[in-house]
Amino acid sequence: NFMLTQPPSVSESPGKTVTISCTTDTGSIRGDYVHWYQQRPGSAPTVVIYENKQRPSGVPDRFSGSIDSSSNSAALTISGLKTEDEADYYCQSYDSNNRWVFGGGTKLTVL
Amino acid sequence: QVQLQESGPGLVKPSGTLSLTCAVSGVSIGSGDFYYNWIRQPPGKGLEWIGYVWPSGRANHNPALRSRTSMSVDKSKNQISLSLTSVTAADTGTYYCARYNFDYIDSWGQGILVTVSS
Repeated sequence: NFMLTQPPSVSESPGKTVTISCTTDTGSIRGDYVHWYQQRPGSAPTVVIYENKQRPSGVPDRFSGSIDSSSNSAALTISGLKTEDEADYYCQSYDSNNRWVFGGGTKLTVL
Repeated sequence: QVQLQESGPGLVKPSGTLSLTCAVSGVSIGSGDFYYNWIRQPPGKGLEWIGYVWPSGRANHNPALRSRTSMSVDKSKNQISLSLTSVTAADTGTYYCARYNFDYIDSWGQGILVTVSS
């Protein structure tokens, strides 16, 4: 089964840069098909990066995405951290049958 | 602007069937290139994809839940439905419907908490 692995938690100080990884060792990360969602407590998730590195309108350019096919990994980078960025972040991609797969989620603490 | 709203029982007995609907407003389900996902989240845990359904009714399921799930579309009511059979406490969680526009999920319902308990 295709699985995506994220670190359970990361923390960083306001103004700094943090990177959240999303890796698989059970298949291949499909280029341009990794999405990242932000979920604040009590709310539905919202997309912050789609198709590996695209930002929907309204998402600040402090959020960026990247992919490294050679290492089967994707990453979400948030620069200039703000307290409002504190949330859970999930990567999502697809298996070979176009079924969706979510990573386990990463809790970002900004302190 | 599209809006999604989940509804259904908040409490289901073990071994029973969980049935939810997602009302779509602001746009016709059959218009445009979209499909609709069901995604759930156990309390305090991560997101789990249940499946998606096209306006045509064609669906794709999470293989771990496939034998227990069915999804359908009612264009006359502009809603989609989810049925999950033989539920256990492990099926407790918040259930979301979400529209995918072939770039990303552009609309989520607010979610509905379903508890499986006797």
